[in-house]
Amino acid sequence: SQELEQSPQSLIVQEGKNLTINCTSSKTLYGLYWYKQKYGEGLIFLMMLQKGGEEKSHEKITAKLDEKKQQSSLHITASQPSHAGIYLCGAEASNTDKLIFGTGTRLQVFP
Amino acid sequence: DSGVTQTPKHLITATGQRVTLRCSPRSGDLSVYWYQQSLDQGLQFLIQYYNGEERAKGNILERFSAQQFPDLHSELNLSSLELGDSALYFCASSLRGRDEKLFFGSGTQLSVL
Repeated sequence: SQELEQSPQSLIVQEGKNLTINCTSSKTLYGLYWYKQKYGEGLIFLMMLQKGGEEKSHEKITAKLDEKKQQSSLHITASQPSHAGIYLCGAEASNTDKLIFGTGTRLQVFP
Repeated sequence: DSGVTQTPKHLITATGQRVTLRCSPRSGDLSVYWYQQSLDQGLQFLIQYYNGEERAKGNILERFSAQQFPDLHSELNLSSLELGDSALYFCASSLRGRDEKLFFGSGTQLSVL
């Protein structure tokens, strides 16, 4: 079965610093989603990437999809305390309609 | 507010008991998903319904069952509860159930004592 591995598992950065979270799939990616979860709350959709090489940005968050490497990265520029939370990548498992999620990356941003 | 409503927010029960979690999808959405989130297993896909029919099944235990009703709300039934079933259960909805973003509810925190 397809699996999504995220790295790092956790990240603590100082406010203003840049950071990158990676998501690697065990199988070919046909599309990838990024979500953010605040502790104990539901997931909030950030971005969806569907084509190889696609890159999307929203405010200070940029996500890229590299289908050849079966990888996606999420980059945050000039991090702020409001960026803190758990970031999860998700993808539709190949040949199924199951939307599976990665292991998650817990981000903390301190002033 | 995602528009997805889950009740109850918290549930405390004992081992061996049965509980029902309820989900009302976002207005107009036909597909409902159920997920289980625990510290050691992460966010696990349980089951998906589309317009009343089961569309996809994940790692859902035989003690668990779900259904989607004609008014599109869904219920997840958990029976013969064990300590390990303690988790945050999320419901999500989408319009078509494929190739699109999901809207998540705020979850039901289940504690089995």
